[in-house]
Amino acid sequence: QQQVKQSPQSLIVQKGGISIINCAYENTAFDYFPWYQQFPGKGPALLIAIRPDVSEKKEGRFTISFNKSAKQFSLHIMDSQPGDSATYFCAASSTGGYQKVTFGTGTKLQVIP
Amino acid sequence: GAVVSQHPSWVICKSGTSVKIECRSLDFQATTMFWYRQFPKQSLMLMATSNEGSKATYEQGVEKDKFLINHASLTLSTLTVTSAHPEDSSFYICSARYRDGPNEKLFFGSGTQLSVL
Repeated sequence: QQQVKQSPQSLIVQKGGISIINCAYENTAFDYFPWYQQFPGKGPALLIAIRPDVSEKKEGRFTISFNKSAKQFSLHIMDSQPGDSATYFCAASSTGGYQKVTFGTGTKLQVIP
Repeated sequence: GAVVSQHPSWVICKSGTSVKIECRSLDFQATTMFWYRQFPKQSLMLMATSNEGSKATYEQGVEKDKFLINHASLTLSTLTVTSAHPEDSSFYICSARYRDGPNEKLFFGSGTQLSVL
């Protein structure tokens, strides 16, 4: 019940295109859903996050869509750039206490010129 | 955003030696820090939760005597890999919980690549 399933495992998108990464969760206690971007040899960096009281959040070229009833959420990267090439992890946690974060399995995104 | 500094970024050691990794929150106080382990092309696996002034909470399957965690201050947590062996070679990452009013975020260190010969 603690799993967060992420797809696809890898993604190749042309420059200027839209990158879409999907995640699904089972634990209804989760109430915080961040996305992290990780470059090789570096720690993850928080990209954008959403709480279940909204269905969409947009920050620049990055948008999270959230479907509470389906227990699914997705990251959309508009106008994808080669610099966006990285591994993306969705995650989920429940606030209160330690806020232990459960990570998805990761999506390696490659944006080709 | 808040900054978490992790040191060293990489370390090579001989089998049987101990290695200490430091995680510092530079511009905020972190009562809770987390330690993760990441294998190549895999996700982050939580090893333990480090709380300032108390014992760490370890995840199932993580040997607490092998991975010693100390959170002696509100800005510093350390992970010591004792008697390291080649199977301990991995990328270790820390994170710190940051509170901004009602919001909480996790900020990550840059990771430590440990190679045990």
